[in-house]
Amino acid sequence: LAKTTQPISMDSYEGQEVNITCSHNNIATNDYITWYQQFPSQGPRFIIQGYKTKVTNEVASLFIPADRKSSTLSLPRVSLSDTAVYYCLVGGDTGRRALTFGSGTRLQVQP
Amino acid sequence: KAGVTQTPRYLIKTRGQQVTLSCSPISGHRSVSWYQQTPGQGLQFLFEYFSETQRNKGNFPGRFSGRQFSNSRSEMNVSTLELGDSALYLCASSYEIDVLSEAFFGQGTRLTVV
Repeated sequence: LAKTTQPISMDSYEGQEVNITCSHNNIATNDYITWYQQFPSQGPRFIIQGYKTKVTNEVASLFIPADRKSSTLSLPRVSLSDTAVYYCLVGGDTGRRALTFGSGTRLQVQP
Repeated sequence: KAGVTQTPRYLIKTRGQQVTLSCSPISGHRSVSWYQQTPGQGLQFLFEYFSETQRNKGNFPGRFSGRQFSNSRSEMNVSTLELGDSALYLCASSYEIDVLSEAFFGQGTRLTVV
């Protein structure tokens, strides 16, 4: 699976939009980009997945440029409850199920 | 529908003992994966089971083993416990065996080895 690089931590305030960028320079043609969120002492939770351009759901948006070497998770109007670690994962339908988690980005939302 | 259930939630064991952790996947899910999470190493893949067969294995010693039953429930076993085995053990279930299939994680079992 492609290696990913994310900022270790980010700070924000309630009501702001937060953008977390992930670099994946060696992404393969059949790889998708998936983001998970993890709260302390809980298992990760799926947020969003995309292949190219833009994907939006009720929680977040995912922006993927044409070269797909990076992606940006956008959280609109964050609240204190969005304080968590966010993981970017890259992988395809190769039959290998293992999710490879990097270090993730620790987002701290202040009041 | 019910989520992924892991039991027990907390466990304290002594070095040298063995431990068995249980995971009940979401109904209908056929894939169960196990992960170890520690502050130093982060989330690391242990192994994955699909239709009672181990399909993938991470880079862990043979003291770590698992199995899956016909109802998709899974257990993992750690023998000869070491202090470094103290961690949050997470189980994830999904319908298929590919990374595109959304994985649903349980709340984990926090194992402390003393």
